[in-house]
Amino acid sequence: SQQGEEDPQALSIQEGENATMNCSYKTSINNLQWYRQNSGRGLVHLILIRSNEREKHSGRLRVTLDTSKKSSSLLITASRAADTASYFCATDGTGGGADGLTFGKGTHLIIQP
Amino acid sequence: DAGITQSPRHKVTETGTPVTLRCHQTENHRYMYWYRQDPGHGLRLIHYSYGVKDTDKGEVSDGYSVSRSKTEDFLLTLESATSSQTSVYFCAISERGQAVVDEQYFGPGTRLTVT
Repeated sequence: SQQGEEDPQALSIQEGENATMNCSYKTSINNLQWYRQNSGRGLVHLILIRSNEREKHSGRLRVTLDTSKKSSSLLITASRAADTASYFCATDGTGGGADGLTFGKGTHLIIQP
Repeated sequence: DAGITQSPRHKVTETGTPVTLRCHQTENHRYMYWYRQDPGHGLRLIHYSYGVKDTDKGEVSDGYSVSRSKTEDFLLTLESATSSQTSVYFCAISERGQAVVDEQYFGPGTRLTVT
């Protein structure tokens, strides 16, 4: 079953604007991760935030995590055409065992030049 | 792609034939995963491995088997391919995958079409 759900499913903005994507999940987690996928390529890890963290930055990326609401957001500031891609959130569980990650269906981001 | 290769990259096969996809890593990571990606479903875990000869099922394992005889290789076999297994298959690796799952590194994918 899908653990994470991204919102919106698609987002189109002008270059230079900020892009915000949201992710909701259902069960307790150890950490939440965001990945990017360019068309026809594999996923690339962007950032990992642990359940005891509330905010994390990496370059133009800012991720927040609200475990009480079981939600996370990914903010990309000063967007560029190269940011056009699909973005996925992924969670692990706290049940133990090597269950891999559970991915959402993704947000497709288009940056208009 | 972090030292992960997948072969073949594209394959067209007929219904009922067996198919084996290969994932090879040069990172010496303990954990390896097979996912499939379909429109409207995102990525779903098929099988994973937590060591040589140690494997377990994921969310959508029916119709698939895996083997890991060496740290660097993880094979996915479709025993009798069906049209519903037409998909893009991704292999991933991570250093930690038990209790806490670290960041995963993905291969370039294999596009499989079953006619």
